[in-house]
Amino acid sequence: DAKTTQPPSMDCAEGRAANLPCNHSTISGNEYVYWYRQIHSQGPQYIIHGLKNNETNEMASLIITEDRKSSTLILPHATLRDTAVYYCIVRVAGTGANNLFFGTGTRLTVIP
Amino acid sequence: DTGVSQNPRHKITKRGQNVTFRCDPISEHNRLYWYRQTLGQGPEFLTYFQNEAQLEKSRLLSDRFSAERPKGSFSTLEIQRTEQGDSAMYLCASSLIRGQTYSSGNTIYFGEGSWLTVV
Repeated sequence: DAKTTQPPSMDCAEGRAANLPCNHSTISGNEYVYWYRQIHSQGPQYIIHGLKNNETNEMASLIITEDRKSSTLILPHATLRDTAVYYCIVRVAGTGANNLFFGTGTRLTVIP
Repeated sequence: DTGVSQNPRHKITKRGQNVTFRCDPISEHNRLYWYRQTLGQGPEFLTYFQNEAQLEKSRLLSDRFSAERPKGSFSTLEIQRTEQGDSAMYLCASSLIRGQTYSSGNTIYFGEGSWLTVV
């Protein structure tokens, strides 16, 4: 069910920006791009979502390409606590099931 | 804390025993979801409720798995005759669906999970 492709792992130096890519070439017009992360042994944590415009919140920025076939999650100043598995998910809008279908995500390791 | 609450956090049981997990969603959230996660994999959707109605259950792993949400508030997930392959983390999540408009209010929030070990 997962409709996204992410690199299995990435490293980032502490204090630098972490840029996590995601491909979703088959995304439909009514599907949002969602990002969650999961720190070891905890439940997934919502980060951000967007439809076609770039979005920013206190945790991260989401850049979606104009054709919506890919996106990048940006953690502007990575800390050791950002070490986690990051999941990019496409999700149908509306009041139907619109459940989340997870892939295997990107394991981000922030290095001191 | 007003997040999704799950109990127990850890459960060790002998093969063949029944186990039940409880989930208390975020207050006033009308949708409640159950997921399972095994080591090295992303969470796997099992079932969901809108209020007390179970709207999707075809992805429950077998007829040994059942879920209820009798009053549209808390939910329970029961696994009967547990097997070693049932060892996993069981995640509950909730969201609020408002009318026919999709909005940020439909974001799904997860609990911390309940770990099951079948020995």
